[in-house]
Amino acid sequence: NAGVTQTPKFQVLKTGQSMTLQCAQDMNHEYMSWYRQDPGMGLRLIHYSVGAGITDQGEVPNGYNVSRSTTEDFPLRLLSAAPSQTSVYFCASRQLDEQYFGPGTRLTVT
Amino acid sequence: GDSVTQMEGPVTLSEEAFLTINCTYTATGYPSLFWYVQYPGEGLQLLLKATKADDKGSNKGFEATYRKETTSFHLEKGSVQVSDSAVYFCALRIQGAQKLVFGQGTRLTINP
Repeated sequence: NAGVTQTPKFQVLKTGQSMTLQCAQDMNHEYMSWYRQDPGMGLRLIHYSVGAGITDQGEVPNGYNVSRSTTEDFPLRLLSAAPSQTSVYFCASRQLDEQYFGPGTRLTVT
Repeated sequence: GDSVTQMEGPVTLSEEAFLTINCTYTATGYPSLFWYVQYPGEGLQLLLKATKADDKGSNKGFEATYRKETTSFHLEKGSVQVSDSAVYFCALRIQGAQKLVFGQGTRLTINP
């Protein structure tokens, strides 16, 4: 099992550009989620999904879109990047009580 | 709402020292409690968990006891090693709910 994979590992965007952060898991987990990690603020939930075709907002959803067309994939879209979205982004999937995290994507918006 | 508060870091200790990282929580329902560890450049990994009051979670020499009366889940280790240097996150999930709520993280550095 590869677990949870994320691409890219690093990305630099200019303000106003769009991009998609990719996330995939091969553990057949129904629950997947996206977090952002900022210094001194822990991890904050952006969006989550409880299964294919079902998504919901977390605590900081503004500026981000998600979709879940398959169990395996849960991409995160930034439609118009802003400097406030500079962060490290983690995707995760969960089975019962154990949450598995990807290695993260470090995004810088200039 | 639900929240987790951890002791401020960074924490710096010498090898073989005793470690305590404090964690307290507020919860609207009955939570399961977790400690996650993040090594440099990596994602978070589950370190240990406890799902009901007075349960003790343990792994790799780390322990934490679910104390409902003090709403706490402090992380302890009797003798730390350089390889324990990482950021530690306390977290909760209300049973039956989907979301995991994290504390702000505590950076631990162990010097040889």
